[in-house]
Amino acid sequence: AQSVAQPEDQVNVAEGNPLTVKCTYSVSGNPYLFWYVQYPNRGLQFLLKYITGDNLVKGSYGFEAEFNKSQTSFHLKKPSALVSDSALYFCALTNAGKSTFGDGTTLTVKP
Amino acid sequence: KAGVTQTPRYLIKTRGQQVTLSCSPISGHRSVSWYQQTPGQGLQFLFEYFSETQRNKGNFPGRFSGRQFSNSRSEMNVSTLELGDSALYLCASSLSPTNAYEQYFGPGTRLTVT
Repeated sequence: AQSVAQPEDQVNVAEGNPLTVKCTYSVSGNPYLFWYVQYPNRGLQFLLKYITGDNLVKGSYGFEAEFNKSQTSFHLKKPSALVSDSALYFCALTNAGKSTFGDGTTLTVKP
Repeated sequence: KAGVTQTPRYLIKTRGQQVTLSCSPISGHRSVSWYQQTPGQGLQFLFEYFSETQRNKGNFPGRFSGRQFSNSRSEMNVSTLELGDSALYLCASSLSPTNAYEQYFGPGTRLTVT
């Protein structure tokens, strides 16, 4: 069985500060990890993915994520948050053709 | 390229009825997956289709079914609707069903069962 955990339902940061949205996973075999973002009244959008190789992955809108195999984590980061980054963020794991999503983390960036 | 389209966008049905939802993937994408999104359960995987074949299925009862056509368009059917089926149903397409490909999601169909 595979699983994804996003331990924080809500993350609040001030604009200009760095942000981190946490994700841990459990899977047998190699993980294929993704981050998606859902803006209000809009569909989920792909942000970035880790397949293999460099543990630091860069994606859209200045986001990046660090894959840590020993800690089974794939945390999403951004050096300087924008108010427009406020949205619902999902971490996802795909293995053997099945995708498992975390419960989502609501990011609120305050001016 | 046009994105993933889903029809209808909103649907209201009564218990016991059945419903069919439609999804058109991005041109060139051959894999289509369906998800149920609810506030309490998050995003739950329903099934995935590739080349008109169901490749994977989530933990949903047999009332939930789907199919894929030769042009990669997909439909999802829910029979004997229950109140708990009220949810946002999302369709996602990808180039291939391999693990490495990201998915592109449609806007969803909001189903309300009364």
